[in-house]
Amino acid sequence: GQQVMQIPQYQHVQEGEDFTTYCNSSTTLSNIQWYKQRPGGHPVFLIQLVKSGEVKKQKRLTFQFGEAKKNSSLHITATQTTDVGTYFCAGPDSNYQLIWGAGTKLIIKP
Amino acid sequence: EAQVTQNPRYLITVTGKKLTVTCSQNMNHEYMSWYRQDPGLGLRQIYYSMNVEVTDKGDVPEGYKVSRKEKRNFPLILESPSPNQTSLYFCASSPRQDLQETQYFGPGTRLLVL
Repeated sequence: GQQVMQIPQYQHVQEGEDFTTYCNSSTTLSNIQWYKQRPGGHPVFLIQLVKSGEVKKQKRLTFQFGEAKKNSSLHITATQTTDVGTYFCAGPDSNYQLIWGAGTKLIIKP
Repeated sequence: EAQVTQNPRYLITVTGKKLTVTCSQNMNHEYMSWYRQDPGLGLRQIYYSMNVEVTDKGDVPEGYKVSRKEKRNFPLILESPSPNQTSLYFCASSPRQDLQETQYFGPGTRLLVL
């Protein structure tokens, strides 16, 4: 079946450093969605990318959708403590299920 | 306020004792689903429903039942819970069946089966 691989599983950064997480789908996606889950919280929608090669920005967050619509990335510039959490990507398959990456946990080193 | 609610938020039970986790959304969404989240495994879909009286198995349906008698409610039923169903459960809803829009998540239900 369709799979979405997400790496890395964890990333430790010093506050102020950049962070990137990558998603790779085994099949072409109609769209890819990104969610953030704070510790103890529930996933919260960040953004949806639909077009091939699309790049969207939200303040320090930059989201990219690959030309082949099979991969995507989220880059955070100059991380802050409020960025801590787990970031998930997800894309719908042909059976109307949302297939999720395993998530990347962003940890800020003290 | 537009939201997805789940009850209870926390539950401790014993093996074999039937339980129901309720989920309700007030956004008139077509699509609803249940996930479980376990450390290192991300979110795994248990069941989903594209509309009233239409439910389908997700990736990990064994040991669970659902029903969708009304658009707003999508309860998750564990007929005979076992310790391997100890997990964090999320209900979610989406406006469109084809998932071309975001999913909205409930706050989660943390279940411990002894």
